[in-house]
Amino acid sequence: NAGVTQTPKFQVLKTGQSMTLQCAQDMNHEYMSWYRQDPGMGLRLIHYSVGAGITDQGEVPNGYNVSRSTTEDFPLRLLSAAPSQTSVYFCASSTTQGTNQPQHFGDGTRLSIL
Amino acid sequence: EDQVTQSPEALRLQEGESSSLNCSYTVSGLRGLFWYRQDPGKGPEFLFTLYSAGEEKEKERLKATLTKKESFLHITAPKPEDSATYLCAVPRGGSNYKLTFGKGTLLTVNP
Repeated sequence: NAGVTQTPKFQVLKTGQSMTLQCAQDMNHEYMSWYRQDPGMGLRLIHYSVGAGITDQGEVPNGYNVSRSTTEDFPLRLLSAAPSQTSVYFCASSTTQGTNQPQHFGDGTRLSIL
Repeated sequence: EDQVTQSPEALRLQEGESSSLNCSYTVSGLRGLFWYRQDPGKGPEFLFTLYSAGEEKEKERLKATLTKKESFLHITAPKPEDSATYLCAVPRGGSNYKLTFGKGTLLTVNP
């Protein structure tokens, strides 16, 4: 019953460094999404995927890349970290089965860019 | 553009003191509304889905209702363990993988 697993839980980077935030789900969900959560703001959609090999941009995609080579994994890449990317990042997944199925979230990666 | 507004931003209650949280939305053709609970340092945890005006869902001390313009999360006789941030969200374009969230209501229940 792992659900959505995100690693690492915490990370500190220097400006300009790159890194990949990992997200894996074991529920065989087709849909996966990345959000960021900042103080005083709601969760905002970065990128999403409707299946392996298919990704698209959300509300705040600049500075981030994604790929989806398998159903289970949906990594988020920061190519050149900037202080504005300091945030808490959440990965979520949901099924296509049924109507209005909710997204299930991981516990987040807390990222600080110095 | 879809918008979700939650009020109040923060609410402090005494144990047993019932109240309601509000989520108002502006969407073109609502295709569901979700309520989540978020504890500090954790991801949002799903509570309810509401689909049509007049619908109600209950879970323990929580009851969610939906009208054509807003949703309420009623908390009856809350306990300290109900303290959390409560989030509501709507699916953008009806897609449950593209949620628009409100900023949340931070609920604190004092013993």
